[in-house]
Amino acid sequence: GAVVSQHPSWVICKSGTSVKIECRSLDFQATTMFWYRQFPKQSLMLMATSNEGSKATYEQGVEKDKFLINHASLTLSTLTVTSAHPEDSSFYICSANRDRGTREQYFGPGTRLTVT
Amino acid sequence: KQEVTQIPAALSVPEGENLVLNCSFTDSAIYNLQWFRQDPGKGLTSLLLIQSSQREQTSGRLNASLDKSSGRSTLYIAASQPGDSATYLCGRGSEKLVFGKGTKLTVNP
Repeated sequence: GAVVSQHPSWVICKSGTSVKIECRSLDFQATTMFWYRQFPKQSLMLMATSNEGSKATYEQGVEKDKFLINHASLTLSTLTVTSAHPEDSSFYICSANRDRGTREQYFGPGTRLTVT
Repeated sequence: KQEVTQIPAALSVPEGENLVLNCSFTDSAIYNLQWFRQDPGKGLTSLLLIQSSQREQTSGRLNASLDKSSGRSTLYIAASQPGDSATYLCGRGSEKLVFGKGTKLTVNP
């Protein structure tokens, strides 16, 4: 079946630094990918829609200059958390749609970010 | 704004029991509804997708229904097993999904 991978699976960084998270579709091309954030015991909240070859679309309240998204190819989207703060610590998950007909979403395994 | 609610927040059952998880949403638009399983610290595994034109989907011991008029979906798990223990999430949307907070299921041996 469709597989979406993320790298790294977990990362610890210091406040003020930047960290990049990769999301790859392994056996299909994805013109659109989605980035979600999940805080402990909370649901997933959509952060932004990553569009191949164009600018990402951010949800209300998500700072586009802080969460940089680049979708440079049909199989790779990256999320860069810039000038990270402890409150950015969260579980970041991406998803992609393999089947344009059904639009079924396939999710990556997630990246646990801890900012110290 | 689309809202998705899942009840109960947590459920503990003995092994072998049949159970129902509920998902309600606030709009009747033409959207998919997708059920997922999430194990602790892991990503989401898709269980069942119900397209907007469908009313029901089945996979093994799982059956999901969708009633757009009442704004509800249910996930039925038959003959539950300890390996079914996880958090179950429903997500609604066309591609980008709005999620409920999930139901944490514990199946006791």
